Amino acid sequence: DQQVKQNSPSLSVQEGRISILNCDYTNSMFDYFLWYKKYPAEGPTFLISISSIKDKNEDGRFTVFLNKSAKHLSLHIVPSQPGDSAVYFCAASLGSSNTGKLIFGQGTTLQVKP
Amino acid sequence: NAGVMQNPRHLVRRRGQEARLRCSPMKGHSHVYWYRQLPEEGLKFMVYLQKENIIDESGMPKERFSAEFPKEGPSILRIQQVVRGDSAAYFCASSPGDQGQPQHFGDGTRLSIL
Repeated sequence: DQQVKQNSPSLSVQEGRISILNCDYTNSMFDYFLWYKKYPAEGPTFLISISSIKDKNEDGRFTVFLNKSAKHLSLHIVPSQPGDSAVYFCAASLGSSNTGKLIFGQGTTLQVKP
Repeated sequence: NAGVMQNPRHLVRRRGQEARLRCSPMKGHSHVYWYRQLPEEGLKFMVYLQKENIIDESGMPKERFSAEFPKEGPSILRIQQVVRGDSAAYFCASSPGDQGQPQHFGDGTRLSIL
């Protein structure tokens, strides 16, 4: 039972354009969502998060949007840079304290072309 | 860099041997999580520990796997009598446990079973 899904295995974008990565979830009890970026042979690096009481959170070039009615979140990267090329994972947790386990999607490989 | 430290980075074992994976959390973090990533998949939660306590082991296989986080020293993930299917990347994460603070990951241990 895949509670968090990233339906696009890969995405290719031109440098300077917007990258939009999507994530769907099934459990309406999730109340905290995170995006991580992962390079080969390294661990995931935290990018940005959002609480379920918000619908948008922005940090520099990264913005996360949450649509609770659709159980959908997205990560926007603008402008995209070649260094953004990596695998992006969305994750969700139960419990507002975020001390519990994270449930990850399968990941989307982003390639930003120069 | 006082990040999450995992060792060894690579571990090769023959079927039937034991594997011990170590994780030292970030300074000031008292919560430790273990995740496993199989090829072409996302990270799957295994276990969540605080000092001397297992809080959630719902993702741990029922047999051969155990984890501890002693009062002194690193957290240990132990796999007894390894089988080929245990080959994976094992990631440790830590957090301070405060509300809204994300988990930070180590670079993982790549376990290969011959």
